[in-house]
Amino acid sequence: AQKITQTQPGMFVQEKEAVTLDCTYDTSDPSYGLFWYKQPSSGEMIFLIYQGSYDQQNATEGRYSLNFQKARKSANLVISASQLGDSAMYFCAMRAKNTGNQFYFGTGTSLTVIP
Amino acid sequence: DVKVTQSSRYLVKRTGEKVFLECVQDMDHENMFWYRQDPGLGLRLIYFSYDVKMKEKGDIPEGYSVSREKKERFSLILESASTNQTSMYLCASSLAGAPNQPQHFGDGTRLSIL
Repeated sequence: AQKITQTQPGMFVQEKEAVTLDCTYDTSDPSYGLFWYKQPSSGEMIFLIYQGSYDQQNATEGRYSLNFQKARKSANLVISASQLGDSAMYFCAMRAKNTGNQFYFGTGTSLTVIP
Repeated sequence: DVKVTQSSRYLVKRTGEKVFLECVQDMDHENMFWYRQDPGLGLRLIYFSYDVKMKEKGDIPEGYSVSREKKERFSLILESASTNQTSMYLCASSLAGAPNQPQHFGDGTRLSIL
């Protein structure tokens, strides 16, 4: 069975600082993808970044990077130079090849950026 | 850009009513999904569909049904609404056979059942 765990219900970070949001996953499938989404208070889910299980390098997208540690089954999101607009819920998700169409989501982390 | 459109951002209905939530995507995606989101529980899958007229139960299908008559449209139906179905509902779509492709979401419908 596939499972995503986010152990930090809430996080605070000072503006302009970096923050790491934790995500661990469990799957027996060697082929899978990991995704991070941002959900502002307005409700829409915004796709941020993707990491494939066979990718050799950690994914980066602007201020977002993924600290992918395959042996530990963790895929932590790092946000550098936090901005007030980064305050939102963040969800980690996984899609595995053997479950093709389904995505599995964690329970999310609420990030608050303090001025 | 992929566009997933949900028919309503906010909806208020009464218990016992039949409620329809509509979702349309414009990128010819095979897969479509309905989730409900409640605080502390994350996203829970209600139903998904990987083709026209096909549907699969998710984790919490009780009290819901779905319809997919056209590829671009996936409807969620609350047969007889109850107060415990007050929630945020999110529709999503994705390409089939493309594990590196994300799900794309609509803006969500905040449904209140009185």
